[in-house]
Order: sequence, then structure tokens, then C-alpha cells
Amino acid sequence: GAVVSQHPSWVICKSGTSVKIECRSLDFQATTMFWYRQFPKQSLMLMATSNEGSKATYEQGVEKDKFLINHASLTLSTLTVTSAHPEDSSFYICSARGSGTGSYEQYFGPGTRLTVT
Amino acid sequence: GEDVEQSLFLSVREGDSSVINCTYTDSSSTYLYWYKQEPGAGLQLLTYIFSNMDMKQDQRLTVLLNKKDKHLSLRIADTQTGDSAIYFCARVGTGGFKTIFGAGTRLFVKA
Repeated sequence: GAVVSQHPSWVICKSGTSVKIECRSLDFQATTMFWYRQFPKQSLMLMATSNEGSKATYEQGVEKDKFLINHASLTLSTLTVTSAHPEDSSFYICSARGSGTGSYEQYFGPGTRLTVT
Repeated sequence: GEDVEQSLFLSVREGDSSVINCTYTDSSSTYLYWYKQEPGAGLQLLTYIFSNMDMKQDQRLTVLLNKKDKHLSLRIADTQTGDSAIYFCARVGTGGFKTIFGAGTRLFVKA
């Protein structure tokens, strides 16, 4: 199947700093990328959806100025957590969907664990 | 509504079959998925079924879809300790764009 990578896999940062997480589709062109947040022992919460070259669509309750999403190319999307606080600590997972046949298949990255101290 | 519901926990013995159940409310669902998540990892797509199918089999995995009852199940034959993970049921939402996830079923396999 298609491969999606995330970098870094884990990061610890101080409160007030910003952190950027990269999501890459390695062997296909991702017309749409999704960013999820997962709390311990809970399901995935969709934060935003982005299409290449256009602004991300944020879910209700997700602050777009805090969670900046850029989908500049068909293989790369980034999530920047600005002015991070301890409550932003979570597991962030991206996923990507291509175009054409099988476009309903969504491939997930391995996740990035963010800890804000 | 767009709810997807699953039981939260299932425990089986190694070698037995596991059946994980899922119900959903939106009858317009087109694709339904099963994902596996191991500790500290992302989600791995196990299998999916299109809404005009009743059953799909892939090696040890069998997916059954009862569209009338909006019920989806995943059967894992000859369950192994390596199958211990969280299994998420998901469906493509109205409009065929967003994927709606259940809360996940934690499968525990006893040796």
C-alpha cells in the first residue's frame, strides 16, 4: 500500500515555542491530507482537511491561528503548533488520500507524539 | 447523525476467532473500513468494503456488512498475539469526503 511518513516521530518542546510537524506521501500524490489528534485511549479527532494549493478547512472548535496547516505540494503537508502549551500535548496523526481509483483509501502516517513542558 | 459505534474491549484466546462489531447511523455510507493501530503507531488500513457488498474475505480477515441493520463486523480467524491492537471501524461520510471513526475496540489476545 501507499506510504505516508511523518517527521519528527516525537518532540518535546517548551511552553510558548512553536513546533512544525511534516507529513509526506512517499509514493503517491496526495491531493488531500488530513490532520488528526488522538488523546490516550481515545479515537481520532479530525482537526483539519487540506487540499494541495488551497487553504485548509478546519473542524469546529479547532483554532486555525494556533494550528497552522500548509499543503504546498502534492507530497507534503505541514502542521505548525504555534505558542504550544501543555494542553497541546497529544499524538498527532496525518493521513493522505490520492486521486483516481482507490481515492477513498486513506493512508496514515505513523504519528508524532508532542509533549509540551 | 454520523455516529460510528463499537464495543471498547474484546479478549480472546490465541487460536480462537475474534469478532469485532460496529454499527453506524448514516445509511448513505459508501465505503466502510477497518483500521488497526498498534501502541504508539499510526493507523494501518486492514480492509474495506463497498456498500453494495455483503462480505469480503482477505486471508484471515472476513468483513460482513448488513446494510439493513447498518452493522459491520470484522472476523479474525486463528487470532494471534500479534493481532493485539486497537481496531477502528470507519466510514466515509456524507459527500464521500470525510472519514468518520468509531472509538476503537481494544483486542487483547491471551496466549
